[in-house]
Amino acid sequence: AQSVAQPEDQVNVAEGNPLTVKCTYSVSGNPYLFWYVQYPNRGLQFLLKYITGDNLVKGSYGFEAEFNKSQTSFHLKKPSALVSDSALYFCAVRPNTGGFKTIFGAGTRLFVKA
Amino acid sequence: GAGVSQSPSNKVTEKGKDVELRCDPISGHTALYWYRQSLGQGLEFLIYFQGNSAPDKSGLPSDRFSAERTGGSVSTLTIQRTQQEDSAVYLCASSLAGRDHYEQYFGPGTRLTVT
Repeated sequence: AQSVAQPEDQVNVAEGNPLTVKCTYSVSGNPYLFWYVQYPNRGLQFLLKYITGDNLVKGSYGFEAEFNKSQTSFHLKKPSALVSDSALYFCAVRPNTGGFKTIFGAGTRLFVKA
Repeated sequence: GAGVSQSPSNKVTEKGKDVELRCDPISGHTALYWYRQSLGQGLEFLIYFQGNSAPDKSGLPSDRFSAERTGGSVSTLTIQRTQQEDSAVYLCASSLAGRDHYEQYFGPGTRLTVT
């Protein structure tokens, strides 16, 4: 079955430190990969995507993610965390099978402490 | 430009009643998606529409759930004979169809409470 795993319910990091939010997937073929963020009392927003090409993709607010095909991972990273990065982060995968169905992970809550 | 809008923002209904949730996608977006987000849970795919193709209904949890999209724009998600387990936030999203534009734009959601 196709699935997306975000193994950490919560990630805690101090402001100024690097952060990583993990995502692995189980989807056949070469899927399209996404990260979305949900700030408190705000809707889901697109952060970045991997479609093809360079394995390291850069997105909004200084975030980046690295696609690793052999490990079927797409971890979200940021070199220096801000308190304002505290939010709920979702990894999403769209199988490259011609349809538009997108599978979301359960989400990881990022807490950045000042 | 205008984003994805959903109405109502909140809906409280009694068990057994039918409810209709509305989504207005971004103008020009041919793909429209419905998701359900239960408290503390991730997004559960329900259904998507793309252009004139048959919708992918594979995520609808039961035959009490249905959705339609009229004129390639507005969509309505209908839940018949609501149950308490239907309580959740229902999110709508839209996107373009080209490969470089697969990211989805989400509406604010409709919070459904079944009492």
